[in-house]
Amino acid sequence: KNQVEQSPQSLIILEGKNCTLQCNYTVSPFSNLRWYKQDTGRGPVSLTIMTFSENTKSNGRYTATLDADTKQSSLHITASQLSDSASYICVVISGGYNKLIFGAGTRLAVHP
Amino acid sequence: ETGVTQTPRHLVMGMTNKKSLKCEQHLGHNAMYWYKQSAKKPLELMFVYNFKEQTENNSVPSRFSPECPNSSHLFLHLHTLQPEDSALYLCASSPGTGPETQYFGPGTRLLVL
Repeated sequence: KNQVEQSPQSLIILEGKNCTLQCNYTVSPFSNLRWYKQDTGRGPVSLTIMTFSENTKSNGRYTATLDADTKQSSLHITASQLSDSASYICVVISGGYNKLIFGAGTRLAVHP
Repeated sequence: ETGVTQTPRHLVMGMTNKKSLKCEQHLGHNAMYWYKQSAKKPLELMFVYNFKEQTENNSVPSRFSPECPNSSHLFLHLHTLQPEDSALYLCASSPGTGPETQYFGPGTRLLVL
C-alpha cells in the first residue's frame, strides 16, 4: 500500500535553533518527492521538489535530502525563525499515474 | 498569494442547508482539484478536473457535487452534510494533471452543525 509517514507529529523549538523533520514512504513506483509548508489558515506552498536522482536540494534556510534506497527524506531548517511556525507536509508522487500521496504533516512551533 | 482564491473562507451550516464553495485560479492552468483536510490526517483528494472535464472522483459521497464551468472556476456544491464533513476544503490548480506542482488556495473552513 502506498503510504507516507512523517515524524514527529509535532515539534516545539526555540528561535534560532535548527531542526530536522522526517518522511518515510512506501510509494512505488516513485516519481518525485515534495515538501510543502502550510501556514495556519493558508493552503500548502511548495518548498522543494526532488527527483529520484537528487540527494539534496536547498531553498534558503530549508534543505531537503532524499535517500531513494531507504525511501527516506528529511527537511532540515537552519536558524529557525518565528515565521517558520507551520505544518510541513511531505508528498510523494507515484510514477505512471502521477498520483500524489500525502503525509499527515509535522506541526512545527518556533518560540521566542 | 498563490494565484488561487477561495470563497468563503469560513462557513457554518446546518445539516439541512445547501451551500456552495467557490474556487478561482488566475494562473492559466488547465487542471483543478478539490481536497479535504481533516485535523491530523493527510489531505484527501476528492475530485480532479482537466480542461473542464471530471477525470477523477475519489469515491466521494453524492452530498458533495462539483461543477467546473470553465478552466478557471471550480465549485463544490454541498447539501445535507454530516458533522464529520467538517474540515478544511482546499482547491488547487496545476498546468496539467502530470507531475507539475499544484498551487493551493487558502481553503474554506467548514463547520457542519
